[in-house]
Amino acid sequence: NAGVMQNPRHLVRRRGQEARLRCSPMKGHSHVYWYRQLPEEGLKFMVYLQKENIIDESGMPKERFSAEFPKEGPSILRIQQVVRGDSAAYFCASSPQTVSNTGELFFGEGSRLTVL
Amino acid sequence: AQKVTQAQTEISVVEKEDVTLDCVYETRDTTYYLFWYKQPPSGELVFLIRRNSFDEQNEISGRYSWNFQKSTSSFNFTITASQVVDSAVYFCALSEASYNTDKLIFGTGTRLQVFP
Repeated sequence: NAGVMQNPRHLVRRRGQEARLRCSPMKGHSHVYWYRQLPEEGLKFMVYLQKENIIDESGMPKERFSAEFPKEGPSILRIQQVVRGDSAAYFCASSPQTVSNTGELFFGEGSRLTVL
Repeated sequence: AQKVTQAQTEISVVEKEDVTLDCVYETRDTTYYLFWYKQPPSGELVFLIRRNSFDEQNEISGRYSWNFQKSTSSFNFTITASQVVDSAVYFCALSEASYNTDKLIFGTGTRLQVFP
C-alpha cells in the first residue's frame, strides 16, 4: 500500500477554488485508477488511465473534473470551482497490468478534500 | 448491471466472537473477480483477498475465511475469534473482466466494531 503515494493527504479549499490531487503509482505500474469516497459511503469509480491515455472516465462528473496521467510525473485529478459536495476522500490505485491479470489494485492512503 | 450489496451496515461484537460479513453481487459476466478490502480508522485501504469466478474453493488465511457460492451470488467473509484490531470498515468489490476497463464496483461497506 505504501508504494502508491498521494498528496496532499489533506486539502482545504473554499468554494470556487481549484483542487489538484496528485498520485504517484508504484514503480513499474502504468495503470492508474481514481476513486471517490463520500462520507459514510463506499468507493465510487471515477476514472481509469494509462500513460497519456484516459481509458474509462465513465465515473467522472461531466463538468469541473478532469484527470491526466502524463508520460512523466504523477497522475493529477483536478477539480475546478469546488463546491461543498466535492468534500470527500479521493483514492488513487495502481496496477502493473489490468486487475483481471494481476488480481490486485494497490491503493494509496487517499487525499481528503474539505470544501468550506 | 453490476452491483454489490452489503446489507449489514454495522456489526458489533465482543472480542473472541466469530463474525460473518455478508456480500451479495450481481453481474452479467461469466468471468469476474471478487475482492475484500479493509479500511481501518486511519483511512487507508488494505487488500485482503481476490477470488475469480471459476474458483469456488473456500479460502482460509489465519483467522480469516471466505465462502464463495456462485449459486447464491455471495462472497461472505468470516473472522474467527475477533480482536479489537479487526475494528474497521470492510468493503466487498466486484470487477468484470471486460476488455477495456477493470474498474471495481464497491459495496457500501460494513462497519465492524470489536469491543474488548
